[in-house]
Amino acid sequence: AQSVTQLGSHVSVSEGALVLLRCNYSSSVPPYLFWYVQYPNQGLQLLLKYTSAATLVKGINGFEAEFKKSETSFHLTKPSAHMSDAAEYFCAVSDDFSGTYKYIFGTGTRLKVLA
Amino acid sequence: NAGVTQTPKFQVLKTGQSMTLQCAQDMNHNSMYWYRQDPGMGLRLIYYSASEGTTDKGEVPNGYNVSRLNKREFSLRLESAAPSQTSVYFCASLPAGGPGTQYFGPGTRLLVL
Repeated sequence: AQSVTQLGSHVSVSEGALVLLRCNYSSSVPPYLFWYVQYPNQGLQLLLKYTSAATLVKGINGFEAEFKKSETSFHLTKPSAHMSDAAEYFCAVSDDFSGTYKYIFGTGTRLKVLA
Repeated sequence: NAGVTQTPKFQVLKTGQSMTLQCAQDMNHNSMYWYRQDPGMGLRLIYYSASEGTTDKGEVPNGYNVSRLNKREFSLRLESAAPSQTSVYFCASLPAGGPGTQYFGPGTRLLVL
């Protein structure tokens, strides 16, 4: 069964510092992996996704993530944090190719950016 | 193109009352989903509809029912609301062609007293 673990429910970084949000997955087959961002009182929007093409995936707003099969990880990074990056981030996995396409979400990491 | 819309945005219910949360998408997507979001628990799948005319239970279906009225609309019904159903509810849709990007609505915040 697929699952996702996000280490750290809260992460604080200084403005301009590296952002690293961790995601580990469990899947019996090569998965599709996603990072979503949620700003206060809004729905989720896609940051980036891995769909078995390049292992380094670039997304919106300067974020990127690297798929590492040996470590079952898909960590999200951004070289320099901006105040506007403060939000909650969710990692999600899907390995359901049967046609029903179910997704499992992590518990989320709230990113705080300090001035 | 409005994307995924949800009504209402906010609702207060008393224990035992019923209500229906509405969701509609105008992107001609095949699959639709209902999630609930609770602090520290991420998003949990309540029900989903892989295509028009089909619905299936997700991780936390108890206390809920759904209707896929047509390709555009997917409603979630609480027959007898309980305080444990206080949550933020999100509807999402997915185009045909594989487990790609889900598109989310803005959410419905529900408080059950």
